[in-house]
Amino acid sequence: DIQMTQSPSSLSGSVGDTVTITCQASQDISNYLNWYQQKPGKAPKLLIHDAFNLETGVTWRFSGSGSGTDFTLTIRTLQPEDVATYYCQQYENLPLTFGPGTKLDI
Amino acid sequence: QVTLMESGPVLVKPTETLTLTCNVSGFSLSSGRLGVTWIRQPPGKALEWLAHIYSNDEISYRTSLKSRLTISKDTSKSQVVLAMTNMAPADTGTYYCARIRYYERRKAFDTWGQGTIVTVSS
Repeated sequence: DIQMTQSPSSLSGSVGDTVTITCQASQDISNYLNWYQQKPGKAPKLLIHDAFNLETGVTWRFSGSGSGTDFTLTIRTLQPEDVATYYCQQYENLPLTFGPGTKLDI
Repeated sequence: QVTLMESGPVLVKPTETLTLTCNVSGFSLSSGRLGVTWIRQPPGKALEWLAHIYSNDEISYRTSLKSRLTISKDTSKSQVVLAMTNMAPADTGTYYCARIRYYERRKAFDTWGQGTIVTVSS
């Protein structure tokens, strides 16, 4: 199985900040990576697909980059509604696997 | 509008079989580069992919759970059903169904149900 790790496990920012979450795969996954946002008590929501493509309807403040084994999710102009846990997920190989999550507080 | 809604028992006993149903609307289970997946989340923990079924009837299971899982669909009812046998307390958590869209090797879970909480206890 491809193992996904994320750092940090939690972080805190202020309104207006820019924050970065990193995700690392245990082997080369090309750009076969998605990012999801899960707000407390809610289902996850797709933010970024194929490492850097913004999902339709998602604010420009979110962006993704990376390929191979190292990936980044950047959130610009942090807003209170960004409080959530963020997960990366690879689809290079079955089983599809998620990272452990990064919890973001404001 | 695409929607998915999970239903099933809230409480199951150890060794019992869990059967969950995902009712979908706004898309077809038999056409397009689409499918439905099941994903679970133990309390306070990360997401775990379980299985998926595509519109072309291709099925995949999490290897470690393959012997316990069965996924199927009823296109006429717009339903996808997941059965998990021999339930244990470690299977407690929230179970989500989600729509997969795929193109060649690319895939994403683009719409999720609200989730259904399952507790395994005697």
